[in-house]
Amino acid sequence: AQTVTQSQPEMSVQEAETVTLSCTYDTSESDYYLFWYKQPPSRQMILVIRQEAYKQQNATENRFSVNFQKAAKSFSLKISDSQLGDAAMYFCAKGGGADGLTFGKGTHLIIQP
Amino acid sequence: SQTIHQWPATLVQPVGSPLSLECTVEGTSNPNLYWYRQAAGRGLQLLFYSVGIGQISSEVPQNLSASRPQDRQFILSSKKLLLSDSGFYLCAWKTGWTTEAFFGQGTRLTVV
Repeated sequence: AQTVTQSQPEMSVQEAETVTLSCTYDTSESDYYLFWYKQPPSRQMILVIRQEAYKQQNATENRFSVNFQKAAKSFSLKISDSQLGDAAMYFCAKGGGADGLTFGKGTHLIIQP
Repeated sequence: SQTIHQWPATLVQPVGSPLSLECTVEGTSNPNLYWYRQAAGRGLQLLFYSVGIGQISSEVPQNLSASRPQDRQFILSSKKLLLSDSGFYLCAWKTGWTTEAFFGQGTRLTVV
């Protein structure tokens, strides 16, 4: 079975600082996709960023970027210039096929003003 | 644009009662549809997925069932709820050419 592991149940960062959320995964596939989703208190799941495994270039979306290490099966999310609105649960997920995404247990991100 | 509707938003049901949660997608055809459950302090667990009308794949054997009577409608059901069925249920969709899943707003189910 595929697994996605987020080893940080909770992280705290000062507003305007940078924080990195960790994620590792297990797979025997060579082609797949990785995602970071944000779940604010409203509990709506919001896609933050995605990475295609066949692309070596790390994905970037404004203040959000990833460090994708395919050989190490690592996919971390870096949030720069943290804002109060970034406070949420962050889920790492792996997918690519019809059978949906496999999610980690999440990291609760706290932004200190 | 595509939208996904999920209802009800909140539900409190007694143990042993039936359950029906509905999810519909607009603006796309032949989507893959998914039901996830999120228990407190845990990630999202895939319960069922469907790649077409009447086609249901179950990921976790349990007290729940799913049906897809129409192309863009996905229903999660139970004949008799258990306390352990409490949780936050999310419906999601994706098509063959999109890689990410798009989620509904979820249903918070409390079984008492």
